[in-house]
Amino acid sequence: DTEVTQTPKHLVMGMTNKKSLKCEQHMGHRAMYWYKQKAKKPPELMFVYSYEKLSINESVPSRFSPECPNSSLLNLHLHALQPEDSALYLCASSQVSGNPYNEQFFGPGTRLTVL
Amino acid sequence: DAKTTQPPSMDCAEGRAANLPCNHSTISGNEYVYWYRQIHSQGPQYIIHGLKNNETNEMASLIITEDRKSSTLILPHATLRDTAVYYCIVRVGKLIFGTGTRLQVFP
Repeated sequence: DTEVTQTPKHLVMGMTNKKSLKCEQHMGHRAMYWYKQKAKKPPELMFVYSYEKLSINESVPSRFSPECPNSSLLNLHLHALQPEDSALYLCASSQVSGNPYNEQFFGPGTRLTVL
Repeated sequence: DAKTTQPPSMDCAEGRAANLPCNHSTISGNEYVYWYRQIHSQGPQYIIHGLKNNETNEMASLIITEDRKSSTLILPHATLRDTAVYYCIVRVGKLIFGTGTRLQVFP
């Protein structure tokens, strides 16, 4: 199984809602990532988890709260988002983090719209 | 910031080789050259990576110049399904995506 899955595929939420994005991989990878991609822009790294611990936070606002409950799952909890947070949210995984010869495998993304 | 320069767009006829260039003149000795592509509204897909030597896999070939300041991704027989944005990335740790090359394969 070389797949990273993400749910939901699409999400529409209001600025006062609380929602969560989910990501799962069963490749035995110990590093997982969240990226944000605005329309017509390249993906930008948000968070890196290594062995279930947060290792990189790219100065992301606290309204985005990541969680890694186990080595296969990665969540992104959303609260009080702004319309400018509307984007494609991508999850990725790799064998370990920071190793330049381990490629990252990406999921299909969750397209988030904040009204 | 991304450390690569790519042309914003290229066209290629179906069945012909697509050669996508990338400049990375400030690459360090321990940085790898990675290529990913992203088909519209999908997640990026890993293609190939290399350090110094040329590499080939079932998807593509990667040619790295001897001074490592530039590289070329070669799709030997482009198909319509190869239409995508292709990202060249140099990395030792994090993946930092540049703006990429939008490859359009036409019939």
